[in-house]
Amino acid sequence: DAGVIQSPRHEVTEMGQEVTLRCKPISGHDYLFWYRQTMMRGLELLIYFNNNVPIDDSGMPEDRFSAKMPNASFSTLKIQPSEPRDSAVYFCASRGDREEKLFFGSGTQLSVL
Amino acid sequence: AQKVTQAQTEISVVEKEDVTLDCVYETRDTTYYLFWYKQPPSGELVFLIRRNSFDEQNEISGRYSWNFQKSTSSFNFTITASQVVDSAVYFCALSQNRDDKIIFGKGTRLHILP
Repeated sequence: DAGVIQSPRHEVTEMGQEVTLRCKPISGHDYLFWYRQTMMRGLELLIYFNNNVPIDDSGMPEDRFSAKMPNASFSTLKIQPSEPRDSAVYFCASRGDREEKLFFGSGTQLSVL
Repeated sequence: AQKVTQAQTEISVVEKEDVTLDCVYETRDTTYYLFWYKQPPSGELVFLIRRNSFDEQNEISGRYSWNFQKSTSSFNFTITASQVVDSAVYFCALSQNRDDKIIFGKGTRLHILP
C-alpha cells in the first residue's frame, strides 16, 4: 500500500484565496483525521471521520474551515477565505478499526501571504 | 476532557547521555490509550508505542523505554545512550477509548549533540 497520500506537498497562496487540501487514506481504513501543526500549538486535531461521517469537528478553528469525505478513499479540507494565521503544516492520518496506530501522510505545508 | 502536557519544550543532551521525556495526561475515563510518536527533521510522524490503561508494565525496545504510572498520570519516555539520529520532536498522545480521537501534546524537541 502507498500509505496515506496528501496533496499538494506545498501550497503558497495569498490572503483571501480559497485553499483545498486533499487526502487519500489507506484502503480499508475506517477512520480519517485532519491535524494542523504549528510551533505555538503543536499538533491540533481539527476533525475526524468514521466511515465517511464527521464525528467530531470541535477542533475546526472557525467557519472558514470545512472538511468533507465524499467516499472512503478521499477527503478534503478547505479554507475559504485563507488568512496568514492559517499558515501551518496540515496532516491527514488514517486508521483501521483493528489498527493500534495512526498512519500519517507527509503533510501539506501551507503558506498564506 | 482530555489533555496531554509535555512540559519540556526543548532539550539538548550530548551524545551517549540518557534522556527522559516527560508526559502527563488528564482523562476522566478508566479505559484509555497512550502513544508516543517521533517526528524527525524530515517531517513525517513515526509511531513508537501504544499502551492501554490496564497495562502498567514498563516497555523496553532497544535503547527506548517507557514508564507508565497511573498514580501520577504519567507516561515518560527514556532514550538510553542517545545518538544523533534520535534528534527529533517527540509527541505524547492520548485517546479516551478505542474509537475516539487522539489528542497530542505540544511535543518536545530533542537535540542530540555530537
